[in-house]
Formats: sequence, C-alpha cells, structure tokens
Amino acid sequence: KAGVTQTPRYLIKTRGQQVTLSCSPISGHRSVSWYQQTPGQGLQFLFEYFSETQRNKGNFPGRFSGRQFSNSRSEMNVSTLELGDSALYLCASSRGLAGGTGNEQFFGPGTRLTVL
Amino acid sequence: QQQVKQSPQSLIVQKGGISIINCAYENTAFDYFPWYQQFPGKGPALLIAIRPDVSEKKEGRFTISFNKSAKQFSLHIMDSQPGDSATYFCAAGVRGGNTPLVFGKGTRLSVIA
Repeated sequence: KAGVTQTPRYLIKTRGQQVTLSCSPISGHRSVSWYQQTPGQGLQFLFEYFSETQRNKGNFPGRFSGRQFSNSRSEMNVSTLELGDSALYLCASSRGLAGGTGNEQFFGPGTRLTVL
Repeated sequence: QQQVKQSPQSLIVQKGGISIINCAYENTAFDYFPWYQQFPGKGPALLIAIRPDVSEKKEGRFTISFNKSAKQFSLHIMDSQPGDSATYFCAAGVRGGNTPLVFGKGTRLSVIA
C-alpha cells in the first residue's frame, strides 16, 4: 500500500509570494491533517479535513488555508509569505478523524519550504 | 490545558543503555497517547501508542509507561542501538477525533557506540 505522498518535496519562495502544497493520503483514508514543523517548536497543528470539510483548525493566521477534494487529496495554501513561514510542512492521513486505534495518523515526508 | 510537555530536549545514551523520555499533560480528557519516531528527512512514524486503561505497553525494545494520576507517560527504549538515533515525539489526543493530536516538542536521541 502506498504511503502518504507530498509534492513538491522542496520549495524556495520569496517574501510576499504565495505557495500551494499538495498531499495524497493513503488509499481509503478520508482524513488529512496538516502540521508545521520548526526546530524548537515541534509539530504545530494547522488544520484537519474530513470528507471535504474542515473539522479542526489550529492557531494560525488566515494566510494559511486548505481544502480537500472528493478523492481525499488535500492542498494547503499560504499567501503573502513571510520569512517565519520557512518550515517543514507535514501532511498526515487517517481513516477517520485522527486519534485512537483504527484512526492512527500516518505522515508523509513533508515539503521543505524556504522563504527568502 | 492543551499542552504536552516533553523532556529532555536532547539525550545521549551509550549503546546498550536505556533511553527514557518523559511527557506530561494537563487535559484529563486525553485518552490516546502515541509516540512517533522521526529520522532526518522523513516524516514522523507511529512507534507505539497507549490508552489510559493500561499502565504499560511493550513492543519489542520499546515500552510506554503511563501514570494516570500524575498525568505523565514515558517511553523507555531498552538496549538502545545507534539505529535508534532519531527525534521522538509524544502526543496526546481524544479518541473519536473531535480535537487534534497535541504534540510535545520532541527529544533528539543520540545513541553512541
């Protein structure tokens, strides 16, 4: 079974630009969660989508947005990039809403975003 | 209340030794406690998870100990190997998934020969 895939793996952007990251979940998984990982801050939750609906949202500004398609694939978008947005963005999928046996989260390799 | 505090930040252990990583939480609603292992350049991978109705769970060299009254849980890696060198994250969540997993800030483990 193929794992979670994320594209692109690396991105370099400049301040003020916008970026779109893509995530394809494991087949049969309907929930996709996004996290921002930075040194010293660990994994910060961005949002979770299930059946094309945002179910949970973390404490990030409105510049961070996402969506989920009917095939469970998800995209996240960051507009007006700032230097502090440089991070590893991780996507995780689970069968149902994340948490507990049967709904374990499986992570992709991440997209490394560098903002110059 | 949503925080999970993880310690230590970094840990160096001799090959064959025991690595111990501790986590503490405040939210008594948490009832699912997974541990993730992350190697450089990779996403976190689920290592082992525990529910609060058991005090200990063992999988191979990895053991989770859980103390419900103290709201603490820990990961023990027995007979630590250089291949165990990675960053470990504890997390806490609520089964049913209405709230997202909350992660600790991670522990960078180095196992030296």
